[in-house]
Amino acid sequence: QVQLVQSGAEVKKPGASVKVSCKASGYTFTGYYMHWVRQAPGQGLEWMGRINPNSGGTNYAQKFQGRVTMTRDTSISTAYMELSRLRSDDTAVYYCARAPLTLLLEFFFDYWGQGTLVTVSS
Amino acid sequence: DIQMTQSPSSLSASVGDRVTITCRASQGISNYLAWFQQKPGKAPKSLIYAASSLQSGVPSKFSGSGSGTDFTLTISSLQPEDFATYYCQQYNSYPPTFGQGTRLEIK
Repeated sequence: QVQLVQSGAEVKKPGASVKVSCKASGYTFTGYYMHWVRQAPGQGLEWMGRINPNSGGTNYAQKFQGRVTMTRDTSISTAYMELSRLRSDDTAVYYCARAPLTLLLEFFFDYWGQGTLVTVSS
Repeated sequence: DIQMTQSPSSLSASVGDRVTITCRASQGISNYLAWFQQKPGKAPKSLIYAASSLQSGVPSKFSGSGSGTDFTLTISSLQPEDFATYYCQQYNSYPPTFGQGTRLEIK
């Protein structure tokens, strides 16, 4: 069965960086996009960007351009999201979510990771 | 960016009830709309894509409809496990955007 297992909770100081991992299993890792979506405490869902694990190509939401980097290691079926210059309002649960490489479904998130809480506090 | 507006923001209902949640897009999105269920402390779970297609494994008590700018999610015969927050999401235009959520509570 499809599983996306994320790394554990992190506590960071303002200005630091955080790198969250998402290990995929139960499907062909390079056959699906991996997206990242975040959710601030008590708030809604916000799309951050995506990576094509096959090519390594990325697209980032304008809000995060210059601060976010998404990478992958196909040898271990793992995607990564690194967010730099952290601020207190980056405190959120960060989710990875899979989407088909198929045109018109490439932004439909069919399976999600369990989430990683990142707390930014001095 | 396309704005997605859900109504109501919260809803109280009883076990056995049938409820409908509405999602409106700020511009036409054809049928490129998904619905998700999220329980406290858990990741969202996909329910419906293409406005009305049920995701594999999702019970038929969930149904979706709509096209263009107006969409609905209907849940029939509510059970305790259905009380959660529901989100719509458009994937017609880049970037993908979500509604603010509808919290379904037990009356």
